[in-house]
Amino acid sequence: KAGVTQTPRYLIKTRGQQVTLSCSPISGHRSVSWYQQTPGQGLQFLFEYFSETQRNKGNFPGRFSGRQFSNSRSEMNVSTLELGDSALYLCASSPGTGGVEQYFGPGTRLTVT
Amino acid sequence: KQEVTQIPAALSVPEGENLVLNCSFTDSAIYNLQWFRQDPGKGLTSLLLIQSSQREQTSGRLNASLDKSSGRSTLYIAASQPGDSATYLCAVGTINGYQLIWGAGTKLIIKP
Repeated sequence: KAGVTQTPRYLIKTRGQQVTLSCSPISGHRSVSWYQQTPGQGLQFLFEYFSETQRNKGNFPGRFSGRQFSNSRSEMNVSTLELGDSALYLCASSPGTGGVEQYFGPGTRLTVT
Repeated sequence: KQEVTQIPAALSVPEGENLVLNCSFTDSAIYNLQWFRQDPGKGLTSLLLIQSSQREQTSGRLNASLDKSSGRSTLYIAASQPGDSATYLCAVGTINGYQLIWGAGTKLIIKP
């Protein structure tokens, strides 16, 4: 079974721009969660999608948004980028029902200059 | 508000030693607790998942325990090897289990 894939792996953007990150979960998994990892704040939960609906949301500003498609693939969008958005963005996939163990992708390293 | 703490922040031990990593949480109303390892520049690998009704889980040389009443979990690594060197993170699952609250991690170095 293929693992969780994230694209792109590395990204450099300028302040004020917007960015879209993509995550493809393990086949058959319907839940996708997004996390931000920074040296200062560690890992923080962004949001979780299940069957195209946002089921849980962390404490991030509205500039951070996401969506999930019918094939369970998910995208995360950050608008009006700030320097502090530089981070490793990780997505995790889970069956969504009857199983909560999360399997992580390699992450997307976003650098904002 | 749930807070997760991991002690120590870093640990360096000789190969072959048994060791214990600690994780504490402030709210005992958890859904589950998961231990992960992270290698430099890479994503997270799930090691063990303990449901709130369980007391421990084992996988190979790893054993994780959970004591909800005291707000603690430990990860025991037996006969450590240099390949065990990584950052170990514990994460508490809240609400329906899909929202994880993370500790800051313990950076483990196993010296050959």
